Amino acid sequence: EPEVTQTPSHQVTQMGQEVILRCVPISNHLYFYWYRQILGQKVEFLVSFYNNEISEKSEIFDDQFSVERPDGSNFTLKIRSTKLEDSAMYFCASGAGYNEQFFGPGTRLTVL
Amino acid sequence: GENVEQHPSTLSVQEGDSAVIKCTYSDSASNYFPWYKQELGKGPQLIIDIRSNVGEKKDQRIAVTLNKTAKHFSLHITETQPEDSAVYFCAASISGGYQKVTFGIGTKLQVIP
Repeated sequence: EPEVTQTPSHQVTQMGQEVILRCVPISNHLYFYWYRQILGQKVEFLVSFYNNEISEKSEIFDDQFSVERPDGSNFTLKIRSTKLEDSAMYFCASGAGYNEQFFGPGTRLTVL
Repeated sequence: GENVEQHPSTLSVQEGDSAVIKCTYSDSASNYFPWYKQELGKGPQLIIDIRSNVGEKKDQRIAVTLNKTAKHFSLHITETQPEDSAVYFCAASISGGYQKVTFGIGTKLQVIP
């Protein structure tokens, strides 16, 4: 069964450093998403991406965040200058349309 | 924006008993309600969903109900098994191509053998 994959599983970085989280969505999906989950809190929507552009973003997704689909298979989330409060589990999801979203296993980001 | 409330936050049941998780939502425009199961170290996995034109849906031991008037929806797991132990999230969304999903806080279900 096809699944969303994410790398790395755990990323440790120093405050102020740039990080790139990588995702490979399910191959025939057209809609891509990033969510995050701070420990003990809700899973929160960050951004959705369709047709090579951002279709919606939350207030969390400020200028420090960007997304890219550099080729036909990868979908990345970049955080330019990480802050302590960016420490969270980041989930990538993809969908073929009409709501169903399939989530990857997540990348745990730890900012020191 | 949408707000989804979920309770209880933790639930312990004996193996074989039923478990019920309840959620409410705030945005009357929401019309798609997925439920996710998250096991340790994994991402949320869709286990069942319901759309607003349906009041109830069942898949083997799992059933979901939706009361659109009251903006309530619930997950029912019957004949619980130890492998049902996980965190369950309810969520709400507006049907459409790239609509974001708004999650509840999650319920940690423990099934005691």
